[in-house]
Amino acid sequence: TQLLEQSPQFLSIQEGENLTVYCNSSSVFSSLQWYRQEPGEGPVLLVTVVTGGEVKKLKRLTFQFGDARKDSSLHITAAQPGDTGLYLCAGVGGNQFYFGTGTSLTVIP
Amino acid sequence: EAQVTQNPRYLITVTGKKLTVTCSQNMNHEYMSWYRQDPGLGLRQIYYSMNVEVTDKGDVPEGYKVSRKEKRNFPLILESPSPNQTSLYFCASISRDSYNEQFFGPGTRLTVL
Repeated sequence: TQLLEQSPQFLSIQEGENLTVYCNSSSVFSSLQWYRQEPGEGPVLLVTVVTGGEVKKLKRLTFQFGDARKDSSLHITAAQPGDTGLYLCAGVGGNQFYFGTGTSLTVIP
Repeated sequence: EAQVTQNPRYLITVTGKKLTVTCSQNMNHEYMSWYRQDPGLGLRQIYYSMNVEVTDKGDVPEGYKVSRKEKRNFPLILESPSPNQTSLYFCASISRDSYNEQFFGPGTRLTVL
């Protein structure tokens, strides 16, 4: 089993603060995905990063894929209450997906 | 509207009583997958299917069966459910054309007593 460790597991911050979520593994992945999941719903894809060192921006969210394609980070600038949710990373290896343990983010107004 | 549907959404059953969770997608994807989500463990892949009549084990296949007789449907079968299969289950339909983007169903919360 290829494990992905996410940190922190829980994060509670004030509106307007910045934060970074990390997704680390000892395995190499062909690509890495980030999802957000709301209570009672399935995860929804935010972004896929494919190339080592790649940086993608989605409004206030910045995603980076490590040079060795083993790790990734998600940085949120000026967090808003609407960012509250469970953030999941998923490594793609062959035809399988390996999810991280998740980071539960709460943004307090 | 592109969607993945699962039924039932909630199910409480007893040990040993066979059950099937259905999954259907309308996006014409060849690739579909089943996951279970448990606190502290994230989502773990149970089985996946790359095409009709082609299925493969994921990380946690024990106690589960699947079938893929047609492209749109991918049911998950628990022949003899046990309490350790109490979990939240998600079906996903996957687009090979867009870097394996996964479209998830709404989930099925299963409790085995």
